[in-house]
Amino acid sequence: AQSVTQLGSHVSVSEGALVLLRCNYSSSVPPYLFWYVQYPNQGLQLLLKYTTGATLVKGINGFEAEFKKSETSFHLTKPSAHMSDAAEYFCAVSTMGAQKLVFGQGTRLTINP
Amino acid sequence: GAVVSQHPSRVICKSGTSVKIECRSLDFQATTMFWYRQFPKQSLMLMATSNEGSKATYEQGVEKDKFLINHASLTLSTLTVTSAHPEDSSFYICSAKVPDTQYFGPGTRLTVL
Repeated sequence: AQSVTQLGSHVSVSEGALVLLRCNYSSSVPPYLFWYVQYPNQGLQLLLKYTTGATLVKGINGFEAEFKKSETSFHLTKPSAHMSDAAEYFCAVSTMGAQKLVFGQGTRLTINP
Repeated sequence: GAVVSQHPSRVICKSGTSVKIECRSLDFQATTMFWYRQFPKQSLMLMATSNEGSKATYEQGVEKDKFLINHASLTLSTLTVTSAHPEDSSFYICSAKVPDTQYFGPGTRLTVL
């Protein structure tokens, strides 16, 4: 069975500061890993994904994540936070083919002016 | 590319009535679509997997007779909430699968009075 743990249900950073959202996963097979963002009353937008190959993955809006197999982690980072980054972020894991996604509980990111 | 739409975005109905929600992949074909339910400030819960031309596969605990799913074409899946009750009020989100990734619709807010 697969599972995802997002450390910190709420993260608050200042505008211009580093954003770090933590995600650890559990999977008995090579995982596919995803980060999605959700703005209020909207669906989920794909930020980035890791399937195979390069472990450092770049996504939209300046976000990136690094797959670390030894740490079973897939943390999301952005060098400089912008007010528009305020949203809910979900980490998800699946097996090959993204047939069934297992989501973490989400992290709400707040940006302070 | 990979745009998924949902209709309606918001619906209010009386207890005992049925409500149909449409999920469309606008610029691609999807043999597999998924339906999720999201409670306030919580993560997404997978309700069912919808495969074009075959019966949907429901997750444990989801009433298949209450949540009817039809996937009649490669671009359209529908979710019908039958005999809706206030406890069915929720945010329903669909996704459509391409190889390795799920793309999500904007969601439908259902309120049952």
